[in-house]
Amino acid sequence: AQSVTQPDIHITVSEGASLELRCNYSYGATPYLFWYVQSPGQGLQLLLKYFSGDTLVQGIKGFEAEFKRSQSSFNLRKPSVHWSDAAEYFCAVGALAGGSYIPTFGRGTSLIVHP
Amino acid sequence: DVKVTQSSRYLVKRTGEKVFLECVQDMDHENMFWYRQDPGLGLRLIYFSYDVKMKEKGDIPEGYSVSREKKERFSLILESASTNQTSMYLCASRASGAYNEQFFGPGTRLTVL
Repeated sequence: AQSVTQPDIHITVSEGASLELRCNYSYGATPYLFWYVQSPGQGLQLLLKYFSGDTLVQGIKGFEAEFKRSQSSFNLRKPSVHWSDAAEYFCAVGALAGGSYIPTFGRGTSLIVHP
Repeated sequence: DVKVTQSSRYLVKRTGEKVFLECVQDMDHENMFWYRQDPGLGLRLIYFSYDVKMKEKGDIPEGYSVSREKKERFSLILESASTNQTSMYLCASRASGAYNEQFFGPGTRLTVL
């Protein structure tokens, strides 16, 4: 069965600093990978996704992620964090289960941004 | 603009009550999902549906049931609410196909007293 690990429960950065959120997955076939963001009191919104092709994926709000098959990782990055980026971030892998592609989510990383 | 709506943002119920959480999507998506979200546990799948009247159990179906009579609507039912079902409930929909992302509703925060 597939699984997703987000090793960091909380990350604190200063505004303007760079950011990297880690995501490791376990899946036997080609994974479909997603990063979502959840602002306080809101549902989840897609930041970016990877299916195939270029392993560096650009998303919304200045985020990018790099797929590294050898490390089973799909880390999310942003060169300069804004205070509005404070939120919960979820990595997910879509895997075939019973004929449907069912996403499995990591437990999330809470990003705190200091002024 | 695509939309997933949930019937209530906040709900307070008593132990033993029957609770209905409604979710409606306007994107003609085949797949719909119910998750519960608890601090430190992330999103856990309760049930999903890949077509009208079709449903599959997720990771934590105990104490819940679902109904999908129309393509756009997916209901989560707590037959007899218990305090350990106090949680945030998120609905999502998704077009068929591995590459398609989910669209989430704003969530319902349910408190069972």
